[in-house]
Amino acid sequence: GAGVSQTPSNKVTEKGKYVELRCDPISGHTALYWYRQSLGQGPEFLIYFQGTGAADDSGLPNDRFFAVRPEGSVSTLKIQRTERGDSAVYLCASSFEGDSPLHFGNGTRLTVT
Amino acid sequence: KQEVTQIPAALSVPEGENLVLNCSFTDSAIYNLQWFRQDPGKGLTSLLLIQSSQREQTSGRLNASLDKSSGRSTLYIAASQPGDSATYLCAVRPSNYGQNFVFGPGTRLSVLP
Repeated sequence: GAGVSQTPSNKVTEKGKYVELRCDPISGHTALYWYRQSLGQGPEFLIYFQGTGAADDSGLPNDRFFAVRPEGSVSTLKIQRTERGDSAVYLCASSFEGDSPLHFGNGTRLTVT
Repeated sequence: KQEVTQIPAALSVPEGENLVLNCSFTDSAIYNLQWFRQDPGKGLTSLLLIQSSQREQTSGRLNASLDKSSGRSTLYIAASQPGDSATYLCAVRPSNYGQNFVFGPGTRLSVLP
């Protein structure tokens, strides 16, 4: 069956611009996570959704970052006034419920020039 | 705050060898621990999930053990193959910090033909 889908796969933007990254989780998965991964490091937690609500947004680095999941399925990560330090691979994962295995998408590579 | 480390950072072995990858975490209060594989430019693929009440899980040539009291997990790979070459990451879900997984930095494995 279809896995977690992330679009775009690559995004290049200029410093100061706004970007949106999209995640389509596996159908029926109630939990959705956003992580950020820099080269040579493990993924860093950003935000977790259970259904439509953000159950834990403690990983968002500052108020330029925001994420939504309005219908409990697709999620969008939004970054305002991008900075070069935001460059990383943004990974989305979903699971059937909180204690089930995480299933990751292939990520969106964001480059801020 | 939960911290996860993995030793070694990189490992190179000849094909056919059995090998062990190590994962350590600082807080033993965890719900579960998950091992992942990541190929270059790709997302993470779940290998094994061990609940906090379990001691080990097996899948094919892979065996993962968990010693919660000492804050350690090992991933054993039997009869390694060149196709096993990838980065292996472990992640723990703390039981008292929220719902997100905390990742280690990974071990980069190369299996030489």
